[in-house]
Amino acid sequence: DQQVKQNSPSLSVQEGRISILNCDYTNSMFDYFLWYKKYPAEGPTFLISISSIKDKNEDGRFTVFLNKSAKHLSLHIVPSQPGDSAVYFCAASATGTSGTYKYIFGTGTRLKVLA
Amino acid sequence: ETGVTQTPRHLVMGMTNKKSLKCEQHLGHNAMYWYKQSAKKPLELMFVYNFKEQTENNSVPSRFSPECPNSSHLFLHLHTLQPEDSALYLCASSQERDGWAFFGQGTRLTVV
Repeated sequence: DQQVKQNSPSLSVQEGRISILNCDYTNSMFDYFLWYKKYPAEGPTFLISISSIKDKNEDGRFTVFLNKSAKHLSLHIVPSQPGDSAVYFCAASATGTSGTYKYIFGTGTRLKVLA
Repeated sequence: ETGVTQTPRHLVMGMTNKKSLKCEQHLGHNAMYWYKQSAKKPLELMFVYNFKEQTENNSVPSRFSPECPNSSHLFLHLHTLQPEDSALYLCASSQERDGWAFFGQGTRLTVV
């Protein structure tokens, strides 16, 4: 049972346009959501996060939107740049009883920004 | 450089071999994690350590044996693996309250 789903395995966007990556989750206990970016041969790097008390978080060109009722979040990149081409993972977590964060990841969406 | 270092970067081993993956962080984090990434599958959480104590074992087969001697180091001991265990193994660390993890670059493991 996949608790975090990224239904689009790939996305191509023209440079300068908006990229929208989507993520759906099923577990209502998730209270913290993250986006990671991964280049080939590297580990994922943290991009942006949002807690369940907010519905939007913005950091430069990156904005994450959270719709709790729909159990849906999205990452917007504006404007998209060729260097943004990577695999983007959505992750969700619920604080564990030990205080650690247990991250559940989606399968990733490969974004290709065309010059 | 993310602050989490994994060695080796690549490993090829036979099914009867014993090998170990190493992860090191000097970020002062208290929690460390092992993840497995197989092709076309989500990142799978394997083990969680908090202050050197294992707090999570996600139904991982016993041929994978983690060890956390201190909060800066994490090992994954491998023995009698199967070809389907071939994957990218990622280590991560986090501070409890920060809510997000730094990842290492991973070890690409091939079992032959």
